[in-house]
Amino acid sequence: GAGVSQSPSNKVTEKGKDVELRCDPISGHTALYWYRQRLGQGLEFLIYFQGNSAPDKSGLPSDRFSAERTGESVSTLTIQRTQQEDSAVYLCASSSGPGREQYFGPGTRLTVT
Amino acid sequence: EDQVTQSPEALRLQEGESSSLNCSYTVSGLRGLFWYRQDPGKGPEFLFTLYSAGEEKEKERLKATLTKKESFLHITAPKPEDSATYLCAVGRTSYDKVIFGPGTSLSVIP
Repeated sequence: GAGVSQSPSNKVTEKGKDVELRCDPISGHTALYWYRQRLGQGLEFLIYFQGNSAPDKSGLPSDRFSAERTGESVSTLTIQRTQQEDSAVYLCASSSGPGREQYFGPGTRLTVT
Repeated sequence: EDQVTQSPEALRLQEGESSSLNCSYTVSGLRGLFWYRQDPGKGPEFLFTLYSAGEEKEKERLKATLTKKESFLHITAPKPEDSATYLCAVGRTSYDKVIFGPGTSLSVIP
């Protein structure tokens, strides 16, 4: 079956512009995660959606970052007024339930110039 | 506070030189412990889930084991293509998010 997909695969934007990143999880997966990974660094948790529960936003680094998920389908991560330190790979993952193994998408490489 | 640590941070092996990576965890209730492999420029790839102490899983040259406090990823006679970053993560019996360790970067030299 289809895995997790993300779009765009690459995004170059100017400092101060807003960007929107998209994640399509595996069908039927109730849990969805966003992570940020800077070059040579580990995974940095951003936000976690589980079913209809309130999302865990504890990893969002500032109020410029927000994310939405429609039911158990697509999620979008929005970064407003981008800064150069936002340059990273943004990874999305989904799982069949809370506390279960995650399956990752290929990531979106964001470059802020 | 629940946490996951991994050691060593980096490991360099000669081809054929077996070794082990460690993942230590402290969680209030373990639902599962996961191992992933991440190649440069790619998202992590799921390898194994371990659910209870004493459990073992194998895949090619990799074997993962679990105790009540830690997990080991044993690599037998590694090849250069095993070079990658290996991540472990824990899922908890609460509905809280999965926690990842920082990873071990493995380099296998021909």
